[in-house]
Amino acid sequence: RKEVEQDPGPFNVPEGATVAFNCTYSNSASQSFFWYRQDCRKEPKLLMSVYSSGNEDGRFTAQLNRASQYISLLIRDSKLSDSATYLCVVNNPPSASKIIFGSGTRLSIRP
Amino acid sequence: DGGITQSPKYLFRKEGQNVTLSCEQNLNHDAMYWYRQDPGQGLRLIYYSQIVNDFQKGDIAEGYSVSREKKESFPLTVTSAQKNPTAFYLCASSPGGGNTIYFGEGSWLTVV
Repeated sequence: RKEVEQDPGPFNVPEGATVAFNCTYSNSASQSFFWYRQDCRKEPKLLMSVYSSGNEDGRFTAQLNRASQYISLLIRDSKLSDSATYLCVVNNPPSASKIIFGSGTRLSIRP
Repeated sequence: DGGITQSPKYLFRKEGQNVTLSCEQNLNHDAMYWYRQDPGQGLRLIYYSQIVNDFQKGDIAEGYSVSREKKESFPLTVTSAQKNPTAFYLCASSPGGGNTIYFGEGSWLTVV
């Protein structure tokens, strides 16, 4: 089983739609969770950290479910500029600093 | 400006040659990382270092080597033993302990 698994997509949705991604992780001892965004041929950039209580940043909401070992990202009122690849990121104990990326989910927003 | 600098941005290598990719950070971060990304794929961890003079293999370390002699520097050597080195290489750093990691702009390596 992969350490971090994501649906590769692509997700192709109209502008204004709500879209959700899930990501599962295999190490129950993982403590750090993030969503990154990567544009074509660019470096990944932090979108948001994921906390146990869930967190929201504008149109973006991230949730963590430790019991089922998955994290989710919800994007509301999607914009054309949201088109990108979204990467799920988890640390992999026993080394807290070992950071593992999922293979990414491609999102394309159409006008 | 604070950040992570990778060089060169584009590099062409002949088969059988070793090449070294540079990564420097001035963020005073303890942890540094090298990832490889192939077209349409996710990031795979090559090596990471949590502290100076220490580093650990990631998931695809074969054919690569690193050093961490200074806190701010973490160069990656792609050796001739790496059979398919053409890829996008990303260096990153972090305060460590599972904190957010930040990336350089990446280096594109092509074997010709």
